[in-house]
Amino acid sequence: AQSVTQLGSHVSVSEGALVLLRCNYSSSVPPYLFWYVQYPNQGLQLLLKYTSAATLVKGINGFEAEFKKSETSFHLTKPSAHMSDAAEYFCAVSDHSAWGGGGNKLTFGTGTQLKVEL
Amino acid sequence: EAGVTQFPSHSVIEKGQTVTLRCDPISGHDNLYWYRRVMGKEIKFLLHFVKESKQDESGMPNNRFLAERTGGTYSTLKVQPAELEDSGVYFCASSQDTGTLYNEQFFGPGTRLTVL
Repeated sequence: AQSVTQLGSHVSVSEGALVLLRCNYSSSVPPYLFWYVQYPNQGLQLLLKYTSAATLVKGINGFEAEFKKSETSFHLTKPSAHMSDAAEYFCAVSDHSAWGGGGNKLTFGTGTQLKVEL
Repeated sequence: EAGVTQFPSHSVIEKGQTVTLRCDPISGHDNLYWYRRVMGKEIKFLLHFVKESKQDESGMPNNRFLAERTGGTYSTLKVQPAELEDSGVYFCASSQDTGTLYNEQFFGPGTRLTVL
């Protein structure tokens, strides 16, 4: 079984400060890992993904995440927060071991609400 | 190209009533998923269609939930009769079958269901 733990349901940073959102996973197979963002009244949008290539993954809007197998972590970072980054962020792991017909259901963490203050 | 659409955006019903949620995936996407987020908790997988067939329905909570995807296009999720604990946001996602292990899922905006 797979699981994801996101530490901190709410994170607040100042504009221009470093953003660090934590994600730890548990998986019985080499994982595929994802970060999604949800802005108010919108669907989830893929920020970035790790699918067993480079361990440092760059995504949209200046975000990046590093896969650390020894720590079972996939933390999301951004060097300088912008007001537009305020949203809810979800870490997810894919059950691609059960791949069939191209499907790969996602197991999500509980989400982290990011607040950016002036 | 239109994204994944869901209807309605909000639904408020009373306990015991029936509600049907609809999802229109991106055209050409054979994979369609339903997920649900109960307030304050994680987004949980409900089921997965490949075209019109149910590939995995291990996340369906009970037999009050019925999902269909006739013709392999849009999908409906019916809750009958609704209970208080069914309240939450229901997300639909779709993905193309690229023949690889990973196919990006594109999510709709969700339907917020409130059962009173």
